Amino acid sequence: GNSVTQMEGPVTLSEEAFLTINCTYTATGYPSLFWYVQYPGEGLQLLLKATKADDKGSNKGFEATYRKETTSFHLEKGSVQVSDSAVYFCALSDLGAAGNKLTFGGGTRVLVKP
Amino acid sequence: SAVISQKPSRDICQRGTSLTIQCQVDSQVTMMFWYRQQPGQSLTLIATANQGSEATYESGFVIDKFPISRPNLTFSTLTVSNMSPEDSSIYLCSVGTIAGSYNEQFFGPGTRLTVL
Repeated sequence: GNSVTQMEGPVTLSEEAFLTINCTYTATGYPSLFWYVQYPGEGLQLLLKATKADDKGSNKGFEATYRKETTSFHLEKGSVQVSDSAVYFCALSDLGAAGNKLTFGGGTRVLVKP
Repeated sequence: SAVISQKPSRDICQRGTSLTIQCQVDSQVTMMFWYRQQPGQSLTLIATANQGSEATYESGFVIDKFPISRPNLTFSTLTVSNMSPEDSSIYLCSVGTIAGSYNEQFFGPGTRLTVL
């Protein structure tokens, strides 16, 4: 079956530091990959997505590249702000094997200190 | 993307009671889903809400505990029945669209449930 593994948190950073959150996946088909963000007390927001190998998703200074050879979709941001403090979820969608379902990783809490 | 609202946004309930959560979308959507997020955990899919037919439940979730209605393409309800403290979670609905070859889901703001 499908699965997503992401690094455990919490990740604590200072403002303007570089952020990387690792995400690897296992899928029986050819999935699309997503990063969702959950700010404190809020629901999930789609941060970025990539639908095929070597695609780079980007939004709000965050980037992630779909690496089929390493089955990875690591999230990066060059200079984080306090407002980036949130929980980040990596997810995959595999229409072929799993219908319309999303499979989520465990989430990574990021805390950015001023 | 669709605008999704949920009611109530939060509630505190007594054990043994039931709570119905509403999910409203501002446009017609084919796919609607209900998730549970237990404290400090990731999201777990409860079921897919099917318009005009019974919901499709994931392993570990049953209709008697989590009855779901989907009367039309813009609205769904999830009931948490005979609640216990273990049901304390955030419940989220999402809507899915298929854009080309992939499924993209958008989430409501969630309902934070505390069971005493």
